[in-house]
Order: sequence, then structure tokens, then C-alpha cells
Amino acid sequence: KAGVTQTPRYLIKTRGQQVTLSCSPISGHRSVSWYQQTPGQGLQFLFEYFSETQRNKGNFPGRFSGRQFSNSRSEMNVSTLELGDSALYLCASSLTSSGIYNEQFFGPGTRLTVL
Amino acid sequence: GDSVTQMEGPVTLSEEACLTINCTYTATGYPSLFWYVQYPGEGLQLLLKATKADDKGSNKGFEATYRKETTSFHLEKGSVQVSDSAVYFCALGDSSYKLIFGSGTRLLVRP
Repeated sequence: KAGVTQTPRYLIKTRGQQVTLSCSPISGHRSVSWYQQTPGQGLQFLFEYFSETQRNKGNFPGRFSGRQFSNSRSEMNVSTLELGDSALYLCASSLTSSGIYNEQFFGPGTRLTVL
Repeated sequence: GDSVTQMEGPVTLSEEACLTINCTYTATGYPSLFWYVQYPGEGLQLLLKATKADDKGSNKGFEATYRKETTSFHLEKGSVQVSDSAVYFCALGDSSYKLIFGSGTRLLVRP
């Protein structure tokens, strides 16, 4: 079974631009989560979707948004990019709809660099 | 809120040495606990998990026991290999559909 795939793997943008990252979950997984990983802040939760509904959102500004499609694929968008948005963005998918047994499988990430 | 605290790294060991990476958590409910590993340039891989108190997760020679009385989930391995060099993350999963991660511990195993 194919794992979580993320595209693109690397991205370079300039301040003020916007960016869209894509994630395809493992087949059959309906929950998709996004995390930001930086050296200073570590791994921080962005949002989680299940059956096209956002169930939880982390403490990020409104410039960060996401959505999930009917085939469970997900996209996240960052508008008006700032230098501090440079990070590895990780997508994870989960089979279960339960939060407690939230065994998540991660993709390789998208490395975003903002110049 | 819920949180996870891991020991600071890096941890440097010689091959075949014993490994312990400490992890403690704070949670209001009854979370699941996980260890993830990240190799350079890659995403996170689930190493092991435990979903209730006294559960022991194990995989690839690594073990961790869910200790409710000490709110801990320490990662252990009896004999490390060079290929175990990576960053290890302890994580907590609760009913809010997210994982809360510790800061990560870098392990370097020398031949």
C-alpha cells in the first residue's frame, strides 16, 4: 500500500507570495493532519480534517488555511508568506476517526523556504 | 494543556550500548502515547505505541512502557546500532484529533 505522498517536496517562495501544498493520504484513510516543523518551535499542529470537515485547528494565524476533498486528499495554503514560515510541512493520515487512538502516518514533508 | 517533555540531546553512544530516552507527559485525560523516529531528510516514522496504562509498545528492538503513576513513556533499547542514529520524538494523542510532540532527542551512534 502506498504511503502518504506530499507535493511538491521543495518550494522556494518570496515574502508576500502565497503557496499551496498538497497531500494524498494512505488509501482508505479519511483523517488528514498538518504539522509545521521548525528548529525553534519543533513540531506544531496546524489542523486536522476528517470527511472534509475541519475538526481541530492549531494556534496559527488566519494566513494558514486548509481543506480536504471528497477523495480525502488535502491541501494547505499559506497566504502573504513571511520569512518565519520557512519550515518543513508534514502531512499525516490516520485510519481511525477516534482522536485517542490517533496513530498517524506521516509523509516525507514539503520543505518551504521563504526568501 | 497537555504537554510532552523529552530529555535534551544529543545523546551519543557507542555501538551496542544501551539506550534510554526519557519522556514524561502531562494530560488531563487518558491519552495514547507514541514514539516516532525521523531520519535525515525524511518525515516521521511511527516506531511504537501504547494506548493504555501498563501497555508496552515494542518494535525493532525498541521498547517503551506506559507508566500512568509516573506519567512516563521512556524509550529503551538494549543494543544500539549505527543505523539507529536519528531524531526520536515522544508524542501524546488525545481526544482532540492531534498529536502533541516533545522537542525531540537526537541520537548519534558511533561505530
